[in-house]
Amino acid sequence: KAGVTQTPRYLIKTRGQQVTLSCSPISGHRSVSWYQQTPGQGLQFLFEYFSETQRNKGNFPGRFSGRQFSNSRSEMNVSTLELGDSALYLCASSLAGVSPLHFGNGTRLTVT
Amino acid sequence: GQQVMQIPQYQHVQEGEDFTTYCNSSTTLSNIQWYKQRPGGHPVFLIQLVKSGEVKKQKRLTFQFGEAKKNSSLHITATQTTDVGTYFCAGLTPGLSFGAGTTVTVRA
Repeated sequence: KAGVTQTPRYLIKTRGQQVTLSCSPISGHRSVSWYQQTPGQGLQFLFEYFSETQRNKGNFPGRFSGRQFSNSRSEMNVSTLELGDSALYLCASSLAGVSPLHFGNGTRLTVT
Repeated sequence: GQQVMQIPQYQHVQEGEDFTTYCNSSTTLSNIQWYKQRPGGHPVFLIQLVKSGEVKKQKRLTFQFGEAKKNSSLHITATQTTDVGTYFCAGLTPGLSFGAGTTVTVRA
């Protein structure tokens, strides 16, 4: 069974730009969660989608948004990038929200 | 900020020694999960605890869920170099909230 796939693996953007990250969950998994990982803040929960609906949302500004498609694939968008958005963005899928999470390898975003 | 607190942040262990990492929440958790992230890797699920006072073992790793379901611990015996990495606990708050992690290094 293929694991969680995130694309791209690396991104370099400049301040003010926007970025879209993609996540393909494990086949059969309907829940997709997004996390931001930085050395200082650890793993911060962004949001969770289940069957195309946002079910939970973390404490991030509205510049961070996401969506889930009917095939459970998910995208995360960050608009008006700031230097502080530089981080590893991890996507995780699960059968249901409380099930164990299966993480992808992440997208390393650098904002200059 | 973190709703699930984890200590210590760093643990430097001599190979062969034991150590424990602790996880605390101000609210009752329906369940708690533990993950391990190797350097350069992504978090990998280790175990889930659901019942009050539950204890589970995986070889040299012992996981415990507190009676009040507000704290948990991970105890590793006879530490090996393969135990290097960051150990996270996570609880539903809602959305799965992760502790800051305990980063373990091992001296051979």
